[in-house]
Amino acid sequence: GQNIDQPTEMTATEGAIVQINCTYQTSGFNGLFWYQQHAGEAPTFLSYNVLDGLEEKGRFSSFLSRSKGYSYLLLKELQMKDSASYLCAVLDSNYQLIWGAGTKLIIKP
Amino acid sequence: GAVVSQHPSRVICKSGTSVKIECRSLDFQATTMFWYRQFPKQSLMLMATSNEGSKATYEQGVEKDKFLINHASLTLSTLTVTSAHPEDSSFYICSASVTENTEAFFGQGTRLTVV
Repeated sequence: GQNIDQPTEMTATEGAIVQINCTYQTSGFNGLFWYQQHAGEAPTFLSYNVLDGLEEKGRFSSFLSRSKGYSYLLLKELQMKDSASYLCAVLDSNYQLIWGAGTKLIIKP
Repeated sequence: GAVVSQHPSRVICKSGTSVKIECRSLDFQATTMFWYRQFPKQSLMLMATSNEGSKATYEQGVEKDKFLINHASLTLSTLTVTSAHPEDSSFYICSASVTENTEAFFGQGTRLTVV
């Protein structure tokens, strides 16, 4: 079966750095997405990785290792507004998005 | 980034009536649109994939006669929840992408409450 694993919840301090991991087993791979979702709102796109390595975009970076079926989202200089759920999703061989359950990130002052 | 507009954002309807939700790509042409529903504290669940000009592909367990999807143009897809029941109350979200393997942009979501 297809499976995406990410931690259910994480807590971090304002101004710090946090890394949210995602591991996947899917039938084929056509890219991995990270989305941010605030409570009651639709997800917003953060990043897309299809090649191995690190993609940096401002305070957010995303890393992919296809051989390990592993990705992480790195958030730097955390702000209170970063409190949200972070969803990892993989595009499989049929171009279907397989979603993880999301990681709820709690930022404390 | 590209903008996807979903309307309405909230709707309350009576049991047995039908509700139409629109999803528009405002500044790009969307070959593929996806419809999701999300129950509280759960992940997004893909309901169906629609490609412009062809019939939607429904996920297993999703009733195509109850959730009617129309993707008549490259900028508009609609989801109609027919004969709505309280158990259909949920958060419905659409997303659109230019091609199948490019990033998908999400609408704002529609919170449907059936009373």
